[in-house]
Amino acid sequence: EAGVAQSPRYKIIEKRQSVAFWCNPISGHATLYWYQQILGQGPKLLIQFQNNGVVDDSQLPKDRFSAERLKGVDSTLKIQPAKLEDSAVYLCASSFLQLNTEAFFGQGTRLTVV
Amino acid sequence: ELKVEQNPLFLSMQEGKNYTIYCNYSTTSDRLYWYRQDPGKSLESLFVLLSNGAVKQEGRLMASLDTKARLSTLHITAAVHDLSATYFCATPQGGSEKLVFGKGTKLTVNP
Repeated sequence: EAGVAQSPRYKIIEKRQSVAFWCNPISGHATLYWYQQILGQGPKLLIQFQNNGVVDDSQLPKDRFSAERLKGVDSTLKIQPAKLEDSAVYLCASSFLQLNTEAFFGQGTRLTVV
Repeated sequence: ELKVEQNPLFLSMQEGKNYTIYCNYSTTSDRLYWYRQDPGKSLESLFVLLSNGAVKQEGRLMASLDTKARLSTLHITAAVHDLSATYFCATPQGGSEKLVFGKGTKLTVNP
């Protein structure tokens, strides 16, 4: 079974530039999550989708971050403009719709803002 | 607001020894997840604990959940070098699937 696919794996940008990350979840997984993992910390949820609707985006900095999941499959996360503190690994995860199901994580995109 | 605390944050141990990692959480939850993360890699699911008193074992790792004490433990038996990694616990914020993670325990097993 194919896992969660993310691209790119690495990205280096200058502050105030924009960047986009892409995620393809496991086939059949209705729920998709974007997490931000700052070095030395646990992942923090940015946004959760159920099919193509947003379930939770309470911790998404909406002045600079945006995400969409058109057609309820692939998702993109965008940062515009980037700040130094956005340097982190951005992890995408997916799970089945039912409660109590575990989430499967992609390899992540390591973003460095200089 | 749900807080998840792990201790220790760093653990260096000798091969063959036993040790326990603790995960405390601040509000009621009936589920607890343990993940493993190798350097530069993603999170790998280890255990899903779904009820009070749940105990699961896989190889040299055993996880348990006490929902009344809001405590989960990850016990390592006779550690081997391959277990070196960072271990995270996570539990969902009340009534949602939003996982809140601890800061992680970086385990180093020395030969």
